[in-house]
Amino acid sequence: GDSVTQMEGPVTLSEEAFLTINCTYTATGYPSLFWYVQYPGEGLQLLLKATKADDKGSNKGFEATYRKETTSFHLEKGSVQVSDSAVYFCALSDDKIIFGKGTRLHILP
Amino acid sequence: EAGVTQSPTHLIKTRGQQATLRCSPISGHTSVYWYQQALGLGLQFLLWYDEGEERNRGNFPPRFSGRQFPNYSSELNVNALELEDSALYLCASSSRNRATNEKLFFGSGTQLSVL
Repeated sequence: GDSVTQMEGPVTLSEEAFLTINCTYTATGYPSLFWYVQYPGEGLQLLLKATKADDKGSNKGFEATYRKETTSFHLEKGSVQVSDSAVYFCALSDDKIIFGKGTRLHILP
Repeated sequence: EAGVTQSPTHLIKTRGQQATLRCSPISGHTSVYWYQQALGLGLQFLLWYDEGEERNRGNFPPRFSGRQFPNYSSELNVNALELEDSALYLCASSSRNRATNEKLFFGSGTQLSVL
């Protein structure tokens, strides 16, 4: 069945560092791919999405490109801020929406 | 406009009891999704309802069930509670009847503790 695998956390970086959180998927169809974020004390919210191969989703300085050949949707940001500290979830939408286990990100000032 | 609301916020039950969790979607949304968030396991897909019908369910035993009402609100029922059912149960809604491409809006969850 469909699945999403993302890198284990926690990930700890200094402010202004480059961020990559890896996400790979398996799916029988042609899913849409998403990154959701959960800030401390808040509910899950959509960060970005891509609906077909080679699409790039972007929001708040974060980017992720739908790579069908490597079945990946890695999340990147060029210069992280303390306010980016949160838990990030990769997700796919096929005949249902499923999520990875989440990656906790800590940004140190 | 109100977001997705879930009740109760916390629920404490003992083994063998039944739990009922409730969710009200955003006005105009017809789809409701239920997820279980247990420590270290991420979000596990439970159920998806749209237009009053169950569209899909995850890999959970039949004692996890639910329904969607004509006003699109939803209930999740967990029978014969087990200790490992202790988790945060999240409800989400979306405005279309297909999962693909659509954005989910999440509630704050119901924290179920089974003693």
